Amino acid sequence: DGGITQSPKYLFRKEGQNVTLSCEQNLNHDAMYWYRQDPGQGLRLIYYSQIVNDFQKGDIAEGYSVSREKKESFPLTVTSAQKNPTAFYLCASSIDRLAGGEADTQYFGPGTRLTVL
Amino acid sequence: LAKTTQPISMDSYEGQEVNITCSHNNIATNDYITWYQQFPSQGPRFIIQGYKTKVTNEVASLFIPADRKSSTLSLPRVSLSDTAVYYCLRKAGRRALTFGSGTRLQVQP
Repeated sequence: DGGITQSPKYLFRKEGQNVTLSCEQNLNHDAMYWYRQDPGQGLRLIYYSQIVNDFQKGDIAEGYSVSREKKESFPLTVTSAQKNPTAFYLCASSIDRLAGGEADTQYFGPGTRLTVL
Repeated sequence: LAKTTQPISMDSYEGQEVNITCSHNNIATNDYITWYQQFPSQGPRFIIQGYKTKVTNEVASLFIPADRKSSTLSLPRVSLSDTAVYYCLRKAGRRALTFGSGTRLQVQP
């Protein structure tokens, strides 16, 4: 929260279908991130973007895709190639200006819970 | 990966002070230590961040000794609403944060 919105809150998908999760921020932050969280576990980084039209793979990018056409938006697509997509997905943003950022703080959205039926 | 080590769980009672210690032996010169709080089915919430010595804000204090190989989050006079998972993270360069499993704090009446 605090300027980061994710939609929908709950999402159900049939196996074999692609699905896109929305993330929008109005904080004028340069950087945006997608994490996945499984029950009882910490967050794992899927993709991140430090500037418009550029993004980098995180630790578990396989089966996911992203785009960053606008500064405010960083949608995540969960493709049918993702073998176990049921999880809680969290989007975050931070200032992260290219010139620095050692103390860059990430702010998280409320999350989307994806369930594959 | 920029890993940290912290206890899996802790128990406390309302009104007590809670100290959660995190180890980060290989911390880099430019790394900061950041703590987040997470409630079930919500995104993590930033609590406090520091580089060395002591930092205090309206909700917590963070103590980092001179060698910076550990840090301690101090929550004064916890209440039931402080029951949550607390994550200690070090920022490795300009990449995104690396989360461990965190410390599950249970506050009892």
